[in-house]
Amino acid sequence: DGGITQSPKYLFRKEGQNVTLSCEQNLNHDAMYWYRQDPGQGLRLIYYSQIVNDFQKGDIAEGYSVSREKKESFPLTVTSAQKNPTAFYLCASSIKGLGGTEAFFGQGTRLTVV
Amino acid sequence: KQEVTQIPAALSVPEGENLVLNCSFTDSAIYNLQWFRQDPGKGLTSLLLIQSSQREQTSGRLNASLDKSSGRSTLYIAASQPGDSATYLCAVPSGNTGKLIFGQGTTLQVKP
Repeated sequence: DGGITQSPKYLFRKEGQNVTLSCEQNLNHDAMYWYRQDPGQGLRLIYYSQIVNDFQKGDIAEGYSVSREKKESFPLTVTSAQKNPTAFYLCASSIKGLGGTEAFFGQGTRLTVV
Repeated sequence: KQEVTQIPAALSVPEGENLVLNCSFTDSAIYNLQWFRQDPGKGLTSLLLIQSSQREQTSGRLNASLDKSSGRSTLYIAASQPGDSATYLCAVPSGNTGKLIFGQGTTLQVKP
């Protein structure tokens, strides 16, 4: 089955730790995205990548980093610089990074700071 | 700057009722509009994608319409069922990119 796989489903982070969220897609899509969802704030874009080895900051990139070394993979690292990382993180992909293309989402990772 | 609004934030209806969810956007120069469904604690499932040149799209009991000139889209759900209970989100691209701007969502409860 084609789709987007996010892991882990739940992640707990201690203060000062960096953690990495995995996102893998087998849809052969060029573009991939990371969104953050908080209650009452909707989804906000963290980073996006339109093609391998290239990525751009979204609206709330501070405290996060990404890499895009393979077409299928777009991992997100939440660094200790992110002051309020507790949230639901969603990875998405689209065939191209253009308006008019349909976006597909993974099942999400819930990150909690303990 | 594009803004997307969904009203109401929550809606409760009895089973079998037909209902309409609303989505409005401030900049009518959109390439498409996408409706999603989100179950609690889950990711987003794409329901319908309407291209800017289309007026509506249908999938089963769902029908989405788009009126770019007025900056509005509606999602019509026919003969609602308890299984339709979820949060429904609409989103439009930011310019000619794949970056999406989301509304806050409408949480629907269909009572048996």
